[in-house]
Amino acid sequence: AQSVSQHNHHVILSEAASLELGCNYSYGGTVNLFWYVQYPGQHLQLLLKYFSGDPLVKGIKGFEAEFIKSKFSFNLRKPSVQWSDTAEYFCAVNRKAGGATNKLIFGTGTLLAVQP
Amino acid sequence: AAGVIQSPRHLIKEKRETATLKCYPIPRHDTVYWYQQGPGQDPQFLISFYEKMQSDKGSIPDRFSAQQFSDYHSELNMSSLELGDSALYFCASSEQGRFDTDTQYFGPGTRLTVL
Repeated sequence: AQSVSQHNHHVILSEAASLELGCNYSYGGTVNLFWYVQYPGQHLQLLLKYFSGDPLVKGIKGFEAEFIKSKFSFNLRKPSVQWSDTAEYFCAVNRKAGGATNKLIFGTGTLLAVQP
Repeated sequence: AAGVIQSPRHLIKEKRETATLKCYPIPRHDTVYWYQQGPGQDPQFLISFYEKMQSDKGSIPDRFSAQQFSDYHSELNMSSLELGDSALYFCASSEQGRFDTDTQYFGPGTRLTVL
């Protein structure tokens, strides 16, 4: 069965610090990979996605992620965080298939708190 | 740009009552997904529809049913509500036919509280 692991449940950083959130997935086939962000009291917003091609993908708000196939990883990075990045971050995968069954499997989320 | 619309945003019900949640996808999106997010948990897939037909089913209780209508909006019907049904219910929509590069866009969610 598909599963997604996010190793950091809570991360506390000071402004301007660099961020890296880990994400590993377990699935035997080809997948699409996503990072979503959920600001307090808000809905899930897409940060970035990987379908194919360049394994380094850039998203909104200065975030980027690198797909390393050999490690089944898709870690999220940002060189310098801001207080406004305080949110919960979810890694998610779905299978790359021709059928209409593309449900997302989410990781347990990482709560990021950025201190001013 | 238009986003996914969900209504109501908040709903308070008593045990054993019924609830109906509505989802209006982004225009031209014909696939709808429902997810349930319990307090402090990650979203869990419930059910999905493509072109008005159920396409996949996850951990959705038998007390719940859903459908997608001709205008592509979807409704999640929940009966015999239990305390454990209290959660945030998200709807997501995606674009027709692009299953291999399916990007799901989420609505604001309906927060259901069962007393």
